[in-house]
Amino acid sequence: DIVMTQTPLSSPVTLGQPASISCRSNQSLVSTDGNTYLSWLHQRPGQPPRLLIYKISKRFSGVPDRFTGSGAGTDFTLTVNWVEAEDVGVYYCMQASQFPRTFGQGTKLEIK
Amino acid sequence: EVFLVESGGGLSRPGGSRRISCAASGFNVSGSYMSWVRQAPGKGLEWVSVIFSGGGTYYAERVKGRFTIFRDNSKNTLHLQMNSLRVEDTALYYCVKEGGYFGGWGQGTLVTVSA
Repeated sequence: DIVMTQTPLSSPVTLGQPASISCRSNQSLVSTDGNTYLSWLHQRPGQPPRLLIYKISKRFSGVPDRFTGSGAGTDFTLTVNWVEAEDVGVYYCMQASQFPRTFGQGTKLEIK
Repeated sequence: EVFLVESGGGLSRPGGSRRISCAASGFNVSGSYMSWVRQAPGKGLEWVSVIFSGGGTYYAERVKGRFTIFRDNSKNTLHLQMNSLRVEDTALYYCVKEGGYFGGWGQGTLVTVSA
């Protein structure tokens, strides 16, 4: 199974400032079709997760452009270019390049 | 628009069975990859199972042989039959429309396994 490792696990940030979360996989996420199925999800307390970014850097429908995904191969980053109050919660990276699908442990974003 | 509503959660005894369901609208379950993902209380996300558009299935090792994913195309509904339940199966179960990315999530149904 592909292991997804996120850092940091907790990130206190100041409103209006940027925040970054790293995600590393223990093997390449390049699929046999040439795509890299690395996604980022955001979960607010008491809510289901919602998709932010897919295929490393593509924003899902309705996702603000302050969210940016980057990376390749085994190393990926989610950047929130300026943090707003609604961005608090837990962020997960996940891979859908292989079965079983696997998730990172989650990074809790909170406001200082 | 993708809309998913899970149901069927509740309290089960260890060793018992439960079937949870997911009613879909806005798309055809039969033409999509559909997964179940669970989240134990206060924990992270764990993928459970998938059914492919062609009908094939795949399971996480922790549930293989105990859980069965299937769909009812006539009702556009996804199901998860859970047998030989264990305390560690306690979780909020989400159905998800996927296909390389998990774009559509339901609100989840809570399954509690306890004596």
